[in-house]
Amino acid sequence: QKEVEQNSGPLSVPEGAIASLNCTYSDRVSQSFFWYRQYSGKSPELIMSIYSNGDKEDGRFTAQLNKASQYVSLLIRDSQPSDSATYLCAVNPFGGSNYKLTFGKGTLLTVNP
Amino acid sequence: EADIYQTPRYLVIGTGKKITLECSQTMGHDKMYWYQQDPGMELHLIHYSYGVNSTEKGDLSSESTVSRIRTEHFPLTLESARPSHTSQYLCASRNSGGPGTDTQYFGPGTRLTVL
Repeated sequence: QKEVEQNSGPLSVPEGAIASLNCTYSDRVSQSFFWYRQYSGKSPELIMSIYSNGDKEDGRFTAQLNKASQYVSLLIRDSQPSDSATYLCAVNPFGGSNYKLTFGKGTLLTVNP
Repeated sequence: EADIYQTPRYLVIGTGKKITLECSQTMGHDKMYWYQQDPGMELHLIHYSYGVNSTEKGDLSSESTVSRIRTEHFPLTLESARPSHTSQYLCASRNSGGPGTDTQYFGPGTRLTVL
């Protein structure tokens, strides 16, 4: 059973701080990794995708991937109250299993003004 | 910007009614998915499709059925709605392919309430 694990939270940070969200996955040959943001009652929206080891930055968001440790993270700099949401980590496995993403259960982030 | 649409966005219906939730995408994606999600809970995959005339059941057992007659269209049907079907239903699509071409996009969702 391929799994994606996330700390369910809630993670609470003050406005302006860095929020760090973590995700581990069990399928060693996974090749694509995604972070989605989901506001309460809304559908998930893609924030970041990452495919290679290292960091990928987009505005206030940085995704970090370490395939050797089977670990992917999302950093949110200068956190804003509007960042308060559930963040879903998703992994696309390799080859024959590549028919669906495996989602984590999500981490609830609260940014306090 | 994801071009994936769901109708209706909200539906309140009585027990025993037949309903169809519509999902369409204009991105030419071959893979399409239906997820069920209760408030504050995780996503559960209930159906997916590799392409036209291909449908499979997902990880969570569901009394609903799906069809894929056209690439862009993936409707979900409940023959006889029950209060236990009350939930949010999310449609998604993505391309087959390697890294960089396999991003999955979600529709806005249908919130179903069965009285």
